Amino acid sequence: KAGVTQTPRYLIKTRGQQVTLSCSPISGHRSVSWYQQTPGQGLQFLFEYFSETQRNKGNFPGRFSGRQFSNSRSEMNVSTLELGDSALYLCASSPDRHNSPLHFGNGTRLTVT
Amino acid sequence: AQKVTQAQTEISVVEKEDVTLDCVYETRDTTYYLFWYKQPPSGELVFLIRRNSFDEQNEISGRYSWNFQKSTSSFNFTITASQVVDSAVYFCALRSRDDKIIFGKGTRLHILP
Repeated sequence: KAGVTQTPRYLIKTRGQQVTLSCSPISGHRSVSWYQQTPGQGLQFLFEYFSETQRNKGNFPGRFSGRQFSNSRSEMNVSTLELGDSALYLCASSPDRHNSPLHFGNGTRLTVT
Repeated sequence: AQKVTQAQTEISVVEKEDVTLDCVYETRDTTYYLFWYKQPPSGELVFLIRRNSFDEQNEISGRYSWNFQKSTSSFNFTITASQVVDSAVYFCALRSRDDKIIFGKGTRLHILP
């Protein structure tokens, strides 16, 4: 079974631009969640999607948004990029919403200059 | 509020030594799940173990063992006879009723040859 696939692996953007990150979950997994990882803040939950609906949201500004498609693939969008948005963005999938372990992708490394 | 504390930021041990990674959590929920994940240098987080709040049995898997104690709100992870391949960042995580997952800041483990 193929794992969680995130594209692109690396991205360099300038302040003020917007960016879209993509995540393809493991086949059959319906829950997709996103995390931001930085050296200072660690791993922080962004949001979770299940059956195309956002089920949970972390404490991030509205510039961070996402969506999930009918095939469970998910995209995350960050608008009006700030230097502080530079981070590793990780996507994880699981079969359901509750206590199932998360399966993570390799992440997208976003650098904002 | 829910919280996961991994007080050890970084640990270095010599190969074949035993090492314990500490995790202390806070939650008011009676039903919750605790997890450990490993993040090797490649970046992809790998699930190690899940434990629910009603199961206080300790678990052993090869060189890995976990000690869950509700009385002290701790879920510690021990690696016996450590190997260089165990070098990674290890995260403890808590997921409870509202389904948000909270990660600790992680412990970076260096196994020296």
